[in-house]
Amino acid sequence: DTGVSQNPRHKITKRGQNVTFRCDPISEHNRLYWYRQTLGQGPEFLTYFQNEAQLEKSRLLSDRFSAERPKGSFSTLEIQRTEQGDSAMYLCASSLSGNYGYTFGSGTRLTVV
Amino acid sequence: EDQVTQSPEALRLQEGESSSLNCSYTVSGLRGLFWYRQDPGKGPEFLFTLYSAGEEKEKERLKATLTKKESFLHITAPKPEDSATYLCAVQGRATNKLIFGTGTLLAVQP
Repeated sequence: DTGVSQNPRHKITKRGQNVTFRCDPISEHNRLYWYRQTLGQGPEFLTYFQNEAQLEKSRLLSDRFSAERPKGSFSTLEIQRTEQGDSAMYLCASSLSGNYGYTFGSGTRLTVV
Repeated sequence: EDQVTQSPEALRLQEGESSSLNCSYTVSGLRGLFWYRQDPGKGPEFLFTLYSAGEEKEKERLKATLTKKESFLHITAPKPEDSATYLCAVQGRATNKLIFGTGTLLAVQP
């Protein structure tokens, strides 16, 4: 097992374009989380899946953001009509039910120009 | 509202100079307090989970302690490779999300 994998590692996009990120969790982990981190700040919670069900969403997750986890395996996070304020590191993490320690991936750094 | 405050924001130590990082928190029913290490351009790396006041955990040169209002990460005889940002986070009983502080940037000089 190679841990939590995120792709791409870096993404540069023009304002107004749509982007999609992928996260492959640790295979036996049934919980998957998305966080966003800007420079000098701690990660901020975006959303959480248990298996394929999206159980919790932050108010930070505007209508332009959508996340899916089909079949309870990998997950995608899509941002529509990107804005400069969306520039950040997007982190994915996974865990097992009953185990409160997350394992984070290395993140996808998004730059909106 | 659940909240985490870390201090200091940045800390510079000489190799071998022990010190402590502070994490003050407010949470409605603590499920767990977490410490992570984060290197530049990488995701946070899990260090410890503490569940109740009085609990302590150790790993190499790091020791984490917990009271009802704060946690300390003690670094004994640090080495340059301990240089990183150390993040503290809490999880309340009513949620599965972690609330993170802004971190302490530690630099250990040889």
